[in-house]
Amino acid sequence: DAGITQSPRYKITETGRQVTLMCHQTWSHSYMFWYRQDLGHGLRLIYYSAAADITDKGEVPDGYVVSRSKTENFPLTLESATRSQTSVYFCASRRGFSGANVLTFGAGSRLTVL
Amino acid sequence: AQTVTQSQPEMSVQEAETVTLSCTYDTSESDYYLFWYKQPPSRQMILVIRQEAYKQQNATENRFSVNFQKAAKSFSLKISDSQLGDAAMYFCAYDDMRFGAGTRLTVKP
Repeated sequence: DAGITQSPRYKITETGRQVTLMCHQTWSHSYMFWYRQDLGHGLRLIYYSAAADITDKGEVPDGYVVSRSKTENFPLTLESATRSQTSVYFCASRRGFSGANVLTFGAGSRLTVL
Repeated sequence: AQTVTQSQPEMSVQEAETVTLSCTYDTSESDYYLFWYKQPPSRQMILVIRQEAYKQQNATENRFSVNFQKAAKSFSLKISDSQLGDAAMYFCAYDDMRFGAGTRLTVKP
């Protein structure tokens, strides 16, 4: 299916466990983004990637790791989950750098850390 | 670092009326994009409208328009002829890098 997909959509884990959220897009967009959404904060950028093997930190990168070995995939890993990482995570992609290219979001992944 | 502020956590409008959502931002850049996104209960983020900073003309998309005041760093969204389907969270964003905390819009029938 064409588009941008996130998996899993819902995940419950325990403090200290490693969790990976997957993001896959079928458009070969160069730019991909990970955000977290928390009440009262809107969306905050965690990491973004301009191309395969190029990643950069956003506003709240601590506690997260990303990789981009293939253009279409941009996984987000919480190496040791904490309760403060309970959130809804959104992946997004865009064809180019300029805002003239529309940012398209995935459906979100709700993560609960107990 | 750029910041985006939405000072209205909640707004309410009567169906068919007009409502304006406020957004201010801070930046030292001269060229950038500003966006309004809508997030209905489905949680899907939907682009409503965008504005490039160097364009003086305010963007318009059907019932949605913006009042962009670059010097004041203000970017408000006006929704005309409000419909029940407009009820959602609305987020203002700077260059897709910084988002405001959101405004929850309720539309009363």
